[in-house]
Amino acid sequence: VQLVESGGDVVQPGGSLRLSCAGSGFTFSSYSMNWVRQAPGKGLEWISYVSGSGSSIFYADSVKGRFTISRDNGNNLLHLQMNSLRDDDTAVYYCARFDDSSGYGSWAFDIWGQGTTVTVSS
Amino acid sequence: EIVLTQSPATLSLSPGERATLSCRASQSVTSFLAWYQQKPGQSPRLLIYDASNRATGIPARFSGSGSGTDFTLTISSLEPEDFAVYYCQQRSHWPPFTFGQGTRLEIK
Repeated sequence: VQLVESGGDVVQPGGSLRLSCAGSGFTFSSYSMNWVRQAPGKGLEWISYVSGSGSSIFYADSVKGRFTISRDNGNNLLHLQMNSLRDDDTAVYYCARFDDSSGYGSWAFDIWGQGTTVTVSS
Repeated sequence: EIVLTQSPATLSLSPGERATLSCRASQSVTSFLAWYQQKPGQSPRLLIYDASNRATGIPARFSGSGSGTDFTLTISSLEPEDFAVYYCQQRSHWPPFTFGQGTRLEIK
């Protein structure tokens, strides 16, 4: 069971970036997925959720209207389109599986990727 | 939005000692609280879910308790690999999912 993020880079304020997360070792479409970020030296901040089917999507207020989460269950991929990037979006971005696939799940973030670093700087 | 407040911010203990970490919610989250461990340069790892259930592969020295607004993570006898940052997280009222600010457990 593994999640691998990619797409992190250095980008100027106002720019855009697309992150991806590849899932393997589990039935990707059966699980909700999330993006969680961690600014340098700071704690964890949940930023977005998508249900297994993609029909339910939620965002933190800090990214609403600027970021878009999506998933491609055929290819076991999760994406985060990030627009209008700001300095305070600088962080390590983790994708995290939400274990809600069955009545016996933990309903917690049980699998995390290694993270991909986004730096917003001029 | 539910705010989770963890205390202490930093806990200094020696291997073999007992660690008690607290998480207080701004309103009741019933038992829908999880704990995570994060070591430097690593991703978070799920330790405890629904306040008191150990995740798969988590050693028995880790235990969670509490309900409502007050929760505790206890490490019964610290091993060298337990020194890390610990976060609590609620799923009672979401979105948003919220995390506490973390407790750093350091070697004394």
